[in-house]
Amino acid sequence: DARVTQTPRHKVTEMGQEVTMRCQPILGHNTVFWYRQTMMQGLELLAYFRNRAPLDDSGMPKDRFSAEMPDATLATLKIQPSEPRDSAVYFCASALEGTEAFFGQGTRLTVV
Amino acid sequence: QQQVKQSPQSLIVQKGGISIINCAYENTAFDYFPWYQQFPGKGPALLIAIRPDVSEKKEGRFTISFNKSAKQFSLHIMDSQPGDSATYFCAASKRSSGYSTLTFGKGTMLLVSP
Repeated sequence: DARVTQTPRHKVTEMGQEVTMRCQPILGHNTVFWYRQTMMQGLELLAYFRNRAPLDDSGMPKDRFSAEMPDATLATLKIQPSEPRDSAVYFCASALEGTEAFFGQGTRLTVV
Repeated sequence: QQQVKQSPQSLIVQKGGISIINCAYENTAFDYFPWYQQFPGKGPALLIAIRPDVSEKKEGRFTISFNKSAKQFSLHIMDSQPGDSATYFCAASKRSSGYSTLTFGKGTMLLVSP
């Protein structure tokens, strides 16, 4: 059953703490996306990678967010330091280039 | 700048009725228009998609109507069922460039009453 796996599913942290979210893309997919979902803004693209190389991270606040793909089976999104306004659901999605994107179940982040 | 505008924000339809959700886009370079369905606690899942070379695509009870000149497309759910209650997102992307990043509308919460 091929699917995108995200961990953790839920995270509550205090303001100022570092948060790391992880994503395991579907095996063989070479494109990975990070989206953030909030009630106000909907689904926003934060960053995406192709063949592990970052192609676009213009949607990401550079001062506190960073996204990496240490290897083809792992993508990470890090927030340091976290702020209450970062509270949202963060989705990872993967695709084989030019085909449909499949979404994970998301990480619900709450920063208090 | 919101490139894909979706309406309504929420919709209540009786079981057996037709649900209609509308989207409008601005970027004429978009060439792929999918609809995603999202249940609570889940990620969005592709429901149906259309390319601008056709005006309509039907899959079961779900139909996309596409109007290229008006830059609008819509999702019709025929014989709506309580199990269709979910949030629906329209999206657009430029597939011809080889990229498949999606620009999403803000979503429509659909409730189908029994």
